[in-house]
Amino acid sequence: QSVLTQPPSVSAAPGQKVTISCSGSSSNIENNYVSWYRQLPGTAPKLLIYENNKRPSGIPDRFSGSKSATSATLGITGLQTGDEADYYCGTWDSSLSARVFGGGTELTVL
Amino acid sequence: QVQLQESGPGLVKPSQTLSLTCTVSGASISSGPYYWSWIRQPAGKGLEWIGRIYTSGSTNYNPSLKTRVTISVDTSKNQFSLNLSSVTAADTAVYYCAREDPHAFDIWGQGTMVTVSS
Repeated sequence: QSVLTQPPSVSAAPGQKVTISCSGSSSNIENNYVSWYRQLPGTAPKLLIYENNKRPSGIPDRFSGSKSATSATLGITGLQTGDEADYYCGTWDSSLSARVFGGGTELTVL
Repeated sequence: QVQLQESGPGLVKPSQTLSLTCTVSGASISSGPYYWSWIRQPAGKGLEWIGRIYTSGSTNYNPSLKTRVTISVDTSKNQFSLNLSSVTAADTAVYYCAREDPHAFDIWGQGTMVTVSS
């Protein structure tokens, strides 16, 4: 099992909004920055959100991040078929002294 | 722009040591403050962080792999490396190197597939 918990899959229609949750604990999410990654099939993950809610240059504002206590959320608006991918959350775990990831969420745009 | 490229054998025999190198181009590996990490992904599964090295040479490892992992850096070649000893089939995965900036993995290599099999 992953240290961080994500739903295995989510789905929504094109143009709609979807949120992906990431649940952790006081040793990881609550006291450390959360980042989010998108992985298209057969490719390396790509950074979408860092430091809980910041977007790297080139990432559209359709993507947003938030954090509250021991949970974090990735939001995607204006869904496109090209958004179909696996999404991962990640953070530092202070108890393990290790980087940890969620198990990943597969997004389907119906 | 900064790019990372993994290299190494695609096939390793059980009980042997898996060795991979990540070559950094477009910037000096000594420029900071960055960590340089290894992450792996078995087929159809999620991401697993293996460990990281800072430009000073200090390291952090995944507790579940700590006894078998060594990460080192060669600043003269602008490379960092992964050694994973006593491999089994469970170590078969795509291995990625990545830069940690330091709160997120902002740059990733394309990944290299390593199969453990006799």
